[in-house]
Amino acid sequence: GIQVEQSPPDLILQEGANSTLRCNFSDSVNNLQWFHQNPWGQLINLFYIPSGTKQNGRLSATTVATERYSLLYISSSQTTDSGVYFCAATSGNTGKLIFGQGTTLQVKP
Amino acid sequence: NAGVTQTPKFQVLKTGQSMTLQCAQDMNHNSMYWYRQDPGMGLRLIYYSASEGTTDKGEVPNGYNVSRLNKREFSLRLESAAPSQTSVYFCASLRVAEGEQFFGPGTRLTVL
Repeated sequence: GIQVEQSPPDLILQEGANSTLRCNFSDSVNNLQWFHQNPWGQLINLFYIPSGTKQNGRLSATTVATERYSLLYISSSQTTDSGVYFCAATSGNTGKLIFGQGTTLQVKP
Repeated sequence: NAGVTQTPKFQVLKTGQSMTLQCAQDMNHNSMYWYRQDPGMGLRLIYYSASEGTTDKGEVPNGYNVSRLNKREFSLRLESAAPSQTSVYFCASLRVAEGEQFFGPGTRLTVL
């Protein structure tokens, strides 16, 4: 089955800095999502982005399906951005999401 | 529109006890999923239901059973809980035509 790998595993930033998180996947996908898991454990949908580029405020994401990777950009980071960022992908038509191991982000004031 | 709801939020069981985790969605989605998340890891699929009346195993189904009661509800049952089932359980739903999956708030289960 499809495999999803994220990098880096951990990231520490000063408030105001920019960052790029990467997600590589091993096969073609028909769904790719980015999630933020906040310190209370809630999974928040950031982007549904099987291909192309999307932006939402300080966050944006790009998926290059032909090269099997996706990038999540965080600009002007804030302490509330802290938490774990997951990339998850599906192939086929069952909708079963395969998650990466996550990137743990800590933004220091 | 509550989205995906789960009950209970927290539960502590003794080894060998049974319990059912409840999940409901009000988005008229066809597909529903149960995942577990262990410390420091991503989510792994336990079972899923592509449509009302159907269920299939995911990556880690051993020790669990599921019931798709109707289009809205999908329950997960632990018949004889084991410490290895200590985890956070997430339910999710999907309208396949749209592709985006939505998650509930999770149930934190501890088995002593």
